Amino acid sequence: QKEVEQNSGPLSVPEGAIASLNCTYSDRGSQSFFWYRQYSGKSPELIMFIYSNGDKEDGRFTAQLNKASQYVSLLIRDSQPSDSATYLCAVPDYGQNFVFGPGTRLSVLP
Amino acid sequence: GEEVAQTPKHLVRGEGQKAKLYCAPIKGHSYVFWYQQVLKNEFKFLISFQNENVFDETGMPKERFSAKCLPNSPCSLEIQATKLEDSAVYFCASSRPTGRGSGNTIYFGEGSWLTVV
Repeated sequence: QKEVEQNSGPLSVPEGAIASLNCTYSDRGSQSFFWYRQYSGKSPELIMFIYSNGDKEDGRFTAQLNKASQYVSLLIRDSQPSDSATYLCAVPDYGQNFVFGPGTRLSVLP
Repeated sequence: GEEVAQTPKHLVRGEGQKAKLYCAPIKGHSYVFWYQQVLKNEFKFLISFQNENVFDETGMPKERFSAKCLPNSPCSLEIQATKLEDSAVYFCASSRPTGRGSGNTIYFGEGSWLTVV
């Protein structure tokens, strides 16, 4: 069973700062990694995914993958109060399923 | 449809009563997943289907939980004799098929909030 770990937070950052969210995974063979955002009382929505080592940028979001360290992170630049949510790291399992981390609660303070 | 549709949005059941939740996956998606989220905690995988067939049921509590995906019908998750600890949000998700282990985007429904009193 794959395991995905995240710091549950809450992580508080001031508006305009960079928020850094971290995720580690247990299976060295994992190939792809997904970040979902979940607002309170809502369903998770996909932010971005990454397959290759290095950085992948999409607007204010950057995913960073280091397979040697089994570590994937999500950076949010110019954080806004609307970014306040729980961020879930997810790794596909062998059966088409996803294993989710416990999520990190982010609070962006105005 | 273009989104995963779950019904009902809210369901209240007395302890010992039956609860049944429904999910219509996105058209063209052959995989359906059920997850349980208790008190905004982490997602617990319950079961997945490939079309009408159970694909992975390793997370499914055996005694009281059952699920089906029948042709031309919404998928369903049924809990017999509900218990207080079954109170949770039950999310359904769907995805297209992909290579094993390589993953594909899964799309979530809005969830069904079950409260057992």
